[in-house]
Amino acid sequence: DAKTTQPNSMESNEEEPVHLPCNHSTISGTDYIHWYRQLPSQGPEYVIHGLTSNVNNRMASLAIAEDRKSSTLILHRATLRDAAVYYCILRAPNNAGNMLTFGGGTRLMVKP
Amino acid sequence: DAGVIQSPRHEVTEMGQEVTLRCKPISGHDYLFWYRQTMMRGLELLIYFNNNVPIDDSGMPEDRFSAKMPNASFSTLKIQPSEPRDSAVYFCASSLLRGSPLHFGNGTRLTVT
Repeated sequence: DAKTTQPNSMESNEEEPVHLPCNHSTISGTDYIHWYRQLPSQGPEYVIHGLTSNVNNRMASLAIAEDRKSSTLILHRATLRDAAVYYCILRAPNNAGNMLTFGGGTRLMVKP
Repeated sequence: DAGVIQSPRHEVTEMGQEVTLRCKPISGHDYLFWYRQTMMRGLELLIYFNNNVPIDDSGMPEDRFSAKMPNASFSTLKIQPSEPRDSAVYFCASSLLRGSPLHFGNGTRLTVT
């Protein structure tokens, strides 16, 4: 799977939107972009994924650049419970193992 | 749905002892994964199963590590003998189909003294 680059950490104020960036310049045409987050003392949890079009769900929105070399996870109103490490992962459809390869992620801190 | 269940939540053992970590995946999920997380190396995939069959164990660090999945509702990860450098949080995850999101348990924190 291709590599992603994320900032090590970001800060946000409670109830403000948060934009978490991810660069993936070597993405292939068929790689899906997945986001997971890991809350303190818990296992990672799925947030959202997409291929080309922007995606929305109850947790977040995913904005994908037109050239697909970058994407942004958007939390519309950050809460203290959103403080976590956010992982951006590329996943090939022919990934026979259905595996996820985690990078370092972005540690999001939310200030009250 | 209870999610992926791991036990024990914490394990403290002495070097040289055998350690067995347990995982119950979500019912109906075809894939099961074992990951390890440390500060130094982050989250690493150790092994995964598809329909109870081990598919890729290239992430298993040494012969001291072994994993089994005797049936669709249970898997174990065994370390024998354990060493201090095995101290980490071990996560089990399952997914329904290839390409489906992974569902993780809350992990087992292993400390080997």
